[in-house]
Amino acid sequence: QTAVTQEPSFSVSPGGTVTLTCGLSSGSVSTSHSPSWYQQTPGQAPRTLIYGTDIRYSGVPDRFSGSVLGNKAALTITGAQADDESDYLCVLYMGSGIWMFGGGTKLTVL
Amino acid sequence: EVQLVESGGGLVQPGGSLRLSCVASGFTLSSFEMNWVRQAPGKGLEWISYISSVDDSEHYADSVKGRFTISRDSAKNSLNLQMNSLRPEDTAVYYCARVEFGHSLGQPYWYLDLWGRGTLVSVSS
Repeated sequence: QTAVTQEPSFSVSPGGTVTLTCGLSSGSVSTSHSPSWYQQTPGQAPRTLIYGTDIRYSGVPDRFSGSVLGNKAALTITGAQADDESDYLCVLYMGSGIWMFGGGTKLTVL
Repeated sequence: EVQLVESGGGLVQPGGSLRLSCVASGFTLSSFEMNWVRQAPGKGLEWISYISSVDDSEHYADSVKGRFTISRDSAKNSLNLQMNSLRPEDTAVYYCARVEFGHSLGQPYWYLDLWGRGTLVSVSS
């Protein structure tokens, strides 16, 4: 059964740049999957960051950007800040009402 | 204010049933595709169910198919999830999430633009 893959954890230094990826265990992620990215802190509902591969949600700082790199979707944080330390979730739309969620990446800023 | 508020969670024994509700404010829920998503303790989010805004067609994850039923109540502007034959592995915070659809530069997109705060379901004897 196909699964959405994300790095379980990642570290970045304050002010640094990090790219989190989102792939499929079988096949490639493309823009047709309409990749979206969410930030989630413990006990809170997810907050939308990026949708439609690379569209920044209203109010999201421009240090967050989305893309497709090779066969994966990617979320890049440029100039990471301490309050970017969080879980990041990738979601793919498979069509016909079917959605797939990645397991999330826990980002540490240190 | 545009928001979603879930309710109906609680403690239930294995094999029991619960009915979750998600009430919408500030918009007409029946105009949107909607999803239920859950998060088990210490785990990532899992999509479990979807309902169409066009024909109320439904889709389910394999983990809940045949046990859970999604529905709408237009009079109450709410989304429901009937959960039967509950198992300990169904223990999770359950969220409802609204689907936003649009186009950008000719490319369609879908994403989950509005989430509730969740309701906790615990299945244990």
